[in-house]
Amino acid sequence: SQQGEEDPQALSIQEGENATMNCSYKTSINNLQWYRQNSGRGLVHLILIRSNEREKHSGRLRVTLDTSKKSSSLLITASRAADTASYFCATAGGATSYDKVIFGPGTSLSVIP
Amino acid sequence: DGGITQSPKYLFRKEGQNVTLSCEQNLNHDAMYWYRQDPGQGLRLIYYSQIVNDFQKGDIAEGYSVSREKKESFPLTVTSAQKNPTAFYLCASSMVQSKYEQYFGPGTRLTVT
Repeated sequence: SQQGEEDPQALSIQEGENATMNCSYKTSINNLQWYRQNSGRGLVHLILIRSNEREKHSGRLRVTLDTSKKSSSLLITASRAADTASYFCATAGGATSYDKVIFGPGTSLSVIP
Repeated sequence: DGGITQSPKYLFRKEGQNVTLSCEQNLNHDAMYWYRQDPGQGLRLIYYSQIVNDFQKGDIAEGYSVSREKKESFPLTVTSAQKNPTAFYLCASSMVQSKYEQYFGPGTRLTVT
């Protein structure tokens, strides 16, 4: 079963608006990451937040992590058409010896110019 | 897409044929991974390798095989035993000490008819 589940599955906003995507997971983790995937391309690592961190920023990205609720959110501020992509959360750590990285099904973001 | 190349971008095969997908990286990363991506789903781990001449099965290894004879190369063979091979295949690499930050190739879309 998948560890991470993003919400919503799809999101459409106007350029300049903020976009918020959520990720929920089931078991304890060492860290959580967000990746972006443009259509038909590979994934690009955006940001990693560790289990002892609550918030992290990178440019227009803001990620929060609430381990008590087993959830994370990715906020993209002042969105641009170029932000149109699928966004995946990936969790790592827990009981497995490998610290497997498990990807959620993704949120498809469309930013309308 | 960093320093990881996958070829070809599109691949078409007849059912019953084995096919090998190429993955090469020049990032000097020790660890390499193969994922499969199906529509509406996250990435699922097929095989991974943390060092040359060693590799481990991921979650969906049945019907696939890999080799890791060189640090730079991690080819994936999709055998005729794989029941549903049509998918988008992604190769990734990482430094062992920061294995969560994975660098992805552009992917190969395999269609088997």
